[in-house]
Amino acid sequence: DVQMTQSPSSLSASIGDRVTITCRASQTISAHLNWYQQKPGKAPKLLIYVASTLQSGVPSRFSGSGSGTDFTLTISSLQPEDFATYYCQQSYRNPPTFGPGTKVDLK
Amino acid sequence: QVQLVQSGAEVKKPGASVKVSCKASGYTFTNYYIHWVRQAPGQGLEWMGIINPTSGSTSYTQKFQDRISITRDTSSSTVYMELSSLRSEDRALYYCARGTTLVPFYYDLWGQGTLVTVSS
Repeated sequence: DVQMTQSPSSLSASIGDRVTITCRASQTISAHLNWYQQKPGKAPKLLIYVASTLQSGVPSRFSGSGSGTDFTLTISSLQPEDFATYYCQQSYRNPPTFGPGTKVDLK
Repeated sequence: QVQLVQSGAEVKKPGASVKVSCKASGYTFTNYYIHWVRQAPGQGLEWMGIINPTSGSTSYTQKFQDRISITRDTSSSTVYMELSSLRSEDRALYYCARGTTLVPFYYDLWGQGTLVTVSS
């Protein structure tokens, strides 16, 4: 299976901060990388797919980049509703696998 | 409204089976695959399996291969996930998620989750 790692596992940030989360795959996955946001008690929500395509309705402060094995999710200016856990997921090889998550909370 | 609505929480005894349903509405049921993903308390997301609603063909992750069955009823646009021989470690939130049929795929629609508790 393709192993996904994320860093950091958690971070504390303030409103307006620029936040960057890194995701790394154990083998190349081309650009088959998606990002999800999950809030407590809720299902995950798709933010970015195919590494850099913003899902419809997702604010433009979210962006994604990368290919191969290294990917990043960036929030350009953190808003109160962005405090959540973020997961990356690869869809290049079966089975699909998720990163362990990065929890973003208020500093 | 485009949505996936799952059945309610379940409490099962060790060794029993659970069957969770996922009803699709607001879109053409056969145009997307349905995946099942679970999340243990305070843990990450774990893929379990997939069904092609058109053909009924399935694929499961090796971890659950012997205990899981995913089926569908096209007449009601509903997918079912049955997990047998339950143990305490199966206590989790179980999600169905809609996946695109094209590669690369992604999950653009999720059910609300079904909590399965395994307790004697």
